Amino acid sequence: AQKVTQAQTEISVVEKEDVTLDCVYETRDTTYYLFWYKQPPSGELVFLIRRNSFDEQNEISGRYSWNFQKSTSSFNFTITASQVVDSAVYFCAHPSGGTSYGKLTFGQGTILTVHP
Amino acid sequence: NAGVTQTPKFRVLKTGQSMTLLCAQDMNHEYMYWYRQDPGMGLRLIHYSVGEGTTAKGEVPDGYNVSRLKKQNFLLGLESAAPSQTSVYFCASSPYYNEQFFGPGTRLTVL
Repeated sequence: AQKVTQAQTEISVVEKEDVTLDCVYETRDTTYYLFWYKQPPSGELVFLIRRNSFDEQNEISGRYSWNFQKSTSSFNFTITASQVVDSAVYFCAHPSGGTSYGKLTFGQGTILTVHP
Repeated sequence: NAGVTQTPKFRVLKTGQSMTLLCAQDMNHEYMYWYRQDPGMGLRLIHYSVGEGTTAKGEVPDGYNVSRLKKQNFLLGLESAAPSQTSVYFCASSPYYNEQFFGPGTRLTVL
């Protein structure tokens, strides 16, 4: 069965520090997607990124970057120069039906607190 | 575009009562989903639909029923609410093979 593990339950940093959130997944599929979502204190779920399994290039978007390594089944997320507004719960997710239907299996989430 | 909307935002039920949560999307998405979020457990899929008139069970379907009579709406029903169903419920929709867009959530308390 598909499984997503976010081993870090909570991370606390001071503003301007870099922080990496870990995600490890298990899959039987040869082609698949991976996602990161953010849930700020207001409660809504905000889509951050989708990666395809056949594209292992790291991606950078502003202060966010993602390191996808198929060999270790990891899809880690780094925030550079963290800000207080980055405080949120971050979820890694993987479709449990391969690339079909998009039934997402979520990790347990990592609570990130950025202190001023 | 309103995106994905959920009604109601909050609800308190007594054990044994029934209710229906409404999810609506205006993005013409084929797929719709219902998740529940409990502390420390992330989101878990309850039921989903791959198109109008279709529904399927997710990871935790017991105690819930769903219907998708119109493409834009996905209803989640609790026939006889139990305290274990106290949770935050999220609806989501997606086009084929793409990221899901989530509604704002419904906070349900069953006493």
